[in-house]
Amino acid sequence: DVKVTQSSRYLVKRTGEKVFLECVQDMDHENMFWYRQDPGLGLRLIYFSYDVKMKEKGDIPEGYSVSREKKERFSLILESASTNQTSMYLCASRDSGQETQYFGPGTRLLVL
Amino acid sequence: AQSVTQPDIHITVSEGASLELRCNYSYGATPYLFWYVQSPGQGLQLLLKYFSGDTLVQGIKGFEAEFKRSQSSFNLRKPSVHWSDAAEYFCAVGGGTSYGKLTFGQGTILTVHP
Repeated sequence: DVKVTQSSRYLVKRTGEKVFLECVQDMDHENMFWYRQDPGLGLRLIYFSYDVKMKEKGDIPEGYSVSREKKERFSLILESASTNQTSMYLCASRDSGQETQYFGPGTRLLVL
Repeated sequence: AQSVTQPDIHITVSEGASLELRCNYSYGATPYLFWYVQSPGQGLQLLLKYFSGDTLVQGIKGFEAEFKRSQSSFNLRKPSVHWSDAAEYFCAVGGGTSYGKLTFGQGTILTVHP
């Protein structure tokens, strides 16, 4: 079974803090994704990575950056957290050439 | 640009009743279509997917969905709902690119009454 894990289930940070959200997958997938989920808006793609050190912006990249130094790990970085970044963050991975994405359990971030 | 619309934000059904969740998509080429389910506090689990072939696809937990190209729809159905089906359901569309980006609908919350 594909396993995607996220470092924290719940996180509370203060405005202006630098925040790191970590995602690890154990299936050697090439592609990894970060989404944020907000009520009534569904999931929106922040960034994705198609290979190590390769990344592309998704639909809402403003205020975020990412890092992929190893194939199994994809980090989402909030350089200076703001209250409007309070949300649920979901990581997913996918084998290139396949269409199905596999999701982690999510990190619920509260920025005060 | 691709988009997905789930017209029903919240649906309530009685246990044992039938269920249909609507999904309409906009996509310029042959779409890859998915239904995911999210139980409270959990990540997303794939219910079923359509890539090609038979337009009626079967998924896990007794769910099925029908692809109708003429209506740009991919509605999810279940003949008899169980209390454990209460969750949020997401329809998504992708395009078969090598990066596999998906566009999700807004989600439909399903409440099941005993």
